Amino acid sequence: DAGVIQSPRHEVTEMGQEVTLRCKPISGHDYLFWYRQTMMRGLELLIYFNNNVPIDDSGMPEDRFSAKMPNASFSTLKIQPSEPRDSAVYFCASSLGQGNYNEQFFGPGTRLTVL
Amino acid sequence: AQSVAQPEDQVNVAEGNPLTVKCTYSVSGNPYLFWYVQYPNRGLQFLLKYITGDNLIKRSYGVEAEFNKSQTSFHLKKPSALVSDSALYFCAVRDSNDYKLSFGAGTTVTVRA
Repeated sequence: DAGVIQSPRHEVTEMGQEVTLRCKPISGHDYLFWYRQTMMRGLELLIYFNNNVPIDDSGMPEDRFSAKMPNASFSTLKIQPSEPRDSAVYFCASSLGQGNYNEQFFGPGTRLTVL
Repeated sequence: AQSVAQPEDQVNVAEGNPLTVKCTYSVSGNPYLFWYVQYPNRGLQFLLKYITGDNLIKRSYGVEAEFNKSQTSFHLKKPSALVSDSALYFCAVRDSNDYKLSFGAGTTVTVRA
């Protein structure tokens, strides 16, 4: 299995631009999570989906952030407009349900820099 | 509510010496506990977990963790550290009634040759 795939690996953009991060979870996994990692705040859960349906988006910082999961093999996290304080590493993770004791598998992350 | 504390930002040990990375947790229900490791410019990798059963969880490459309910702790241990163990280690907890994982702030482990 290829694991969780994220693209792009690095993104540099200017303030005000739209940014779209992409994630392909492990085939068969029914949970998908988006995290943000910064030095100041550590690892924060932004939103998670179960069977393509958003379950908890309480971690999404502002209305500028949105996430979708149109099918079981693809999810996007969009920031519009982007701001310098959005600079962080964004991770996607997936897991297999059937009990909430299963570990999450993380992608390599997207390093976002907003100038 | 659930939370995790990793009281040490950094742990430095010499190669061949025992390594301990500390973690304490707080949950309202039964805890599901996890350890992850992150190498530079990589995603988090799952190490081990405690769900139920034996309090000492062992992995094949010498890493283990001990669950202590009375002290609400889940410390990661390795009897003999290697330079390649140098990385950022995260402890995480999930309440048995929830799917959300709460991560600690992470502990940077440096093993010197």
